Parts: sequence; structure tokens; C-alpha cells
Amino acid sequence: QQQVKQSPQSLIVQKGGISIINCAYENTAFDYFPWYQQFPGKGPALLIAIRPDVSEKKEGRFTISFNKSAKQFSLHIMDSQPGDSATYFCAARGSGAGSYQLTFGKGTKLSVIP
Amino acid sequence: GAGVSQTPSNKVTEKGKYVELRCDPISGHTALYWYRQSLGQGPEFLIYFQGTGAADDSGLPNDRFFAVRPEGSVSTLKIQRTERGDSAVYLCASSLDGSTDTQYFGPGTRLTVL
Repeated sequence: QQQVKQSPQSLIVQKGGISIINCAYENTAFDYFPWYQQFPGKGPALLIAIRPDVSEKKEGRFTISFNKSAKQFSLHIMDSQPGDSATYFCAARGSGAGSYQLTFGKGTKLSVIP
Repeated sequence: GAGVSQTPSNKVTEKGKYVELRCDPISGHTALYWYRQSLGQGPEFLIYFQGTGAADDSGLPNDRFFAVRPEGSVSTLKIQRTERGDSAVYLCASSLDGSTDTQYFGPGTRLTVL
């Protein structure tokens, strides 16, 4: 059972454009939603994260939008740059005992072309 | 150290052999996680340690997989009688403690079973 569904699988964006990646979750016990960025040969690195008590969080060019009722969240990358080309993973984590692990989406490979 | 380190970076073995993968977490982090990332997929949880004990090993696929963390710092993931399906990148992550959201990932060990 895939608990976090991510789309699209791949994305090509022109430099300066907006990249949008979407995720949907099923488990209502999830209460922490991070996005990770992964370059080839490297481990995932935390990019930005949100809790469901807010609908949006912005850090620099990266924004998470969160819709609790729809159980969806998305990552927006403004002014996309070639250096943003990487694979992005959304994830979710619950609270309380037994909820320590992150559940990841399948990833989105982003290519930003000059 | 500055970050999570994993050794070896690559491991090639033959079907049926035994392998050990090592993880050095960030100094002072009491929580340690192992994930497995298959090609084109997001990381999947294997096991979580809080201190020396395995608090949650529900992600281990079968009894060929075992992990230890005897002194509450370095952890070793052990795979017996390796199978070709075990080929993947094995990621280690650590966090300050189990209740802390942010997990910091190492670069992973790429395991190839021939």
C-alpha cells in the first residue's frame, strides 16, 4: 500500500520557470511533511518541511502548500535554476510511538534547462 | 563528524554471500535509521534505533537482514545469504532523538549482488 503518492514522475522546466510537484497521502495520522532533494550518488537532503497547522511555508525560492482536507501537499520552486536539477521526494511522518520512520513518495526527477 | 558517513560506498558481492554495511551517525544523535532505496524509488524504512536498542524493526524484509548498534553510535546492517533482489542503495540517517523531525541522511552504500 503506497501511503504517499507523488506526481509527476519527471518534470522539465525552463530556467526561470516555476516547478510544481504534488503529493497526496492517505494516513491521517501523518503530521510532518518534509521535502528532500537528492543529487545522483548522494543521500537525500532536507529542503523544507511543514506541519498541518499551517497552509503554506516559504523558504527562499521554495514553497510548500498544504491542503489538510484534501490530504495533499505540493512543492513550488520559483525561478527554477539548472542547479535545481535533481530528484525530489516528498515524505510524511506520524507522531507517537511507532511513527518514527519517514514514508517517501517515489520521487520526481526535475530537469531545468537553460 | 560533520555529517552521517557510510562505508563502503560501493559493495559488490556474489549471491549467497554475507555482507556488512556500516553507518557513523552525526555525533550526539541518539536516533538512527536504515532505509533501502531501489532504483527509481523513494527510500523505504528498514529499522530504527533509539540508543542501543532497535525500537522498530518492522521494515526489515526477512530474517536475513539484521542490524546492531552496540554502543549507541555506529551501526552495522548485516545481510546473510544475499540475493540479487537485495541490490539497492542502503541509506542511513540520524536525528537528535526519536521525537526530532529532521533526519539527516548519509550518502548511502550501493550494494550489487551478482
